[in-house]
Amino acid sequence: KNEVEQSPQNLTAQEGEFITINCSYSVGISALHWLQQHPGGGIVSLFMLSSGKKKHGRLIATINIQEKHSSLHITASHPRDSAVYICAVRETSGSRLTFGEGTQLTVNP
Amino acid sequence: NAGVMQNPRHLVRRRGQEARLRCSPMKGHSHVYWYRQLPEEGLKFMVYLQKENIIDESGMPKERFSAEFPKEGPSILRIQQVVRGDSAAYFCASSPFTGNTGELFFGEGSRLTVL
Repeated sequence: KNEVEQSPQNLTAQEGEFITINCSYSVGISALHWLQQHPGGGIVSLFMLSSGKKKHGRLIATINIQEKHSSLHITASHPRDSAVYICAVRETSGSRLTFGEGTQLTVNP
Repeated sequence: NAGVMQNPRHLVRRRGQEARLRCSPMKGHSHVYWYRQLPEEGLKFMVYLQKENIIDESGMPKERFSAEFPKEGPSILRIQQVVRGDSAAYFCASSPFTGNTGELFFGEGSRLTVL
């Protein structure tokens, strides 16, 4: 079992839909990151969370430390949101990031 | 304020050659991380460096791979005697803070193809 599990693996939505991507982890963490990767492109850090909720534009990220679960929400989705979204956790015991396998999001016009 | 710069963006090597990948962190950042993304797989941690020090290399393959972050100049990930299985995207990230507190800024990646 991976230490970081994401669901769903693939997600197809219509433009305008509300999207949720989930991340569960099994280790103690000091922070959780949500990352975005476009095909053949670099990685952009969207959020770093250690508690509660953060919002940036149409993106919202939440984390529940007790349940070891985080969600990334996209409101009013757009085709340009199509990308792979990756959850990564920084364990309390060290400095490395452990990554989920990613969620491939496709938003159709 | 330029972001994390990686070069080359694409590198082709034949089996047995050496590959050198460079990463210039954001200005003011003294912490550098290297990650590898194999085809159709997720990202994996390789090494964490501060200026002139390797802090955590627990993700580095035991042979042929080395990394450095000298006092002056970029961080370098070096792969000797490359094999086809080394074909991957190698990402660098930098942070201004140590350990668990710093937000990470990623480069565009270097894509290595071994023929």
